[in-house]
Amino acid sequence: LAKTTQPISMDSYEGQEVNITCSHNNIATNDYITWYQQFPSQGPRFIIQGYKTKVTNEVASLFIPADRKSSTLSLPRVSLSDTAVYYCLVGDMYAYSTLTFGKGTMLLVSP
Amino acid sequence: DTGVSQDPRHKITKRGQNVTFRCDPISEHNRLYWYRQTLGQGPEFLTYFQNEAQLEKSRLLSDRFSAERPKGSFSTLEIQRTEQGDSAMYLCASSVDSSNQPQHFGDGTRLSIL
Repeated sequence: LAKTTQPISMDSYEGQEVNITCSHNNIATNDYITWYQQFPSQGPRFIIQGYKTKVTNEVASLFIPADRKSSTLSLPRVSLSDTAVYYCLVGDMYAYSTLTFGKGTMLLVSP
Repeated sequence: DTGVSQDPRHKITKRGQNVTFRCDPISEHNRLYWYRQTLGQGPEFLTYFQNEAQLEKSRLLSDRFSAERPKGSFSTLEIQRTEQGDSAMYLCASSVDSSNQPQHFGDGTRLSIL
């Protein structure tokens, strides 16, 4: 499975847009990019998944450049409740996939 | 869709005791996964079931760990002769048996070994 690199932590203020970038230089052709959010004492929660270009849902957007060696999770107008750890993962989704989590990015949103 | 349910949410036990955790996946999810998470780390894969068949085990799953999924529904994870290092959050996830489908996690069982 491709390894991922993402910042350990980020700080933001309420109402700002937050962009968390993840590097995955060894991503394989069949790999999808998935982001999870985790609050303390809860399990990870699926946010968004994509293969290339841009994906948007009601929560976030995911930008993937043509070479797919990185991806950016964009959270519009964050609130205090977006304070959490965000994990970027890549894995072959054509077969079952055991997710390999890194340490994630701890996002702290302040008033 | 009631989500993935795990029981108990917390377990405190003495070193050397056996413990068993239960996971009820989202109905109709064929795939079920167990992960372990320690403080400050991301979840680590332990084992995977496709229906009732256990198809993969991580090297983290020592001989003291055993998981079952009878009839392809709920799953149990048992740890025998618990050790201090077993203290962690044990997470269960499930997904449908189809490509590109994300895993849905429960809120875990937090195990504390005294």
